[in-house]
Amino acid sequence: TQLLEQSPQFLSIQEGENLTVYCNSSSVFSSLQWYRQEPGEGPVLLVTVVTGGEVKKLKRLTFQFGDARKDSSLHITAAQPGDTGLYLCAGAGGSNYKLTFGKGTLLTVNP
Amino acid sequence: DTGVSQDPRHKITKRGQNVTFRCDPISEHNRLYWYRQTLGQGPEFLTYFQNEAQLEKSRLLSDRFSAERPKGSFSTLEIQRTEQGDSAMYLCASSSTNQPQHFGDGTRLSIL
Repeated sequence: TQLLEQSPQFLSIQEGENLTVYCNSSSVFSSLQWYRQEPGEGPVLLVTVVTGGEVKKLKRLTFQFGDARKDSSLHITAAQPGDTGLYLCAGAGGSNYKLTFGKGTLLTVNP
Repeated sequence: DTGVSQDPRHKITKRGQNVTFRCDPISEHNRLYWYRQTLGQGPEFLTYFQNEAQLEKSRLLSDRFSAERPKGSFSTLEIQRTEQGDSAMYLCASSSTNQPQHFGDGTRLSIL
């Protein structure tokens, strides 16, 4: 069974601070997705990483896929209240159809 | 571009009743997925369709659960004889082959 562990589970910071959340597994994934979810809504795709060591930037968000394709990180620079939400990582196996999700990191950015 | 649409958004029912949810995927997507999410957890995979064929069902999907995608477009998920433990958010996602999955806003099921 593939498991993804996210840390921290909860994070509360002030506007303008930087933060990093982690997604770790003992399994290799063919790709890894990061989603952001707000209360009462479905997850919204932020990025997909496929290649070991890959780094992708989306404005103030930087995503990295580990060299062994087992772990990933999300770094947010100068966090804003609009970044508040549940950040979920999800790994896809070889056939690339079934996603295994972590429990998520609940981020609160206080103004 | 219309996203994944789910109906209803909320469903409250008494224990023992049957419920049915509908998912309309993004029109050009051939793959459709159902997930279940409970409070404090990430979504858990339930089942997967490629076109009209149901290719995998999770062990989470008991005999009381059935899903269909009759024409390879919309899908329905039915739960018979609902139980308290069925209370959750039921999420539908769709994708093209080997492309990322896009989710709907889910159906929140509450069992009284």
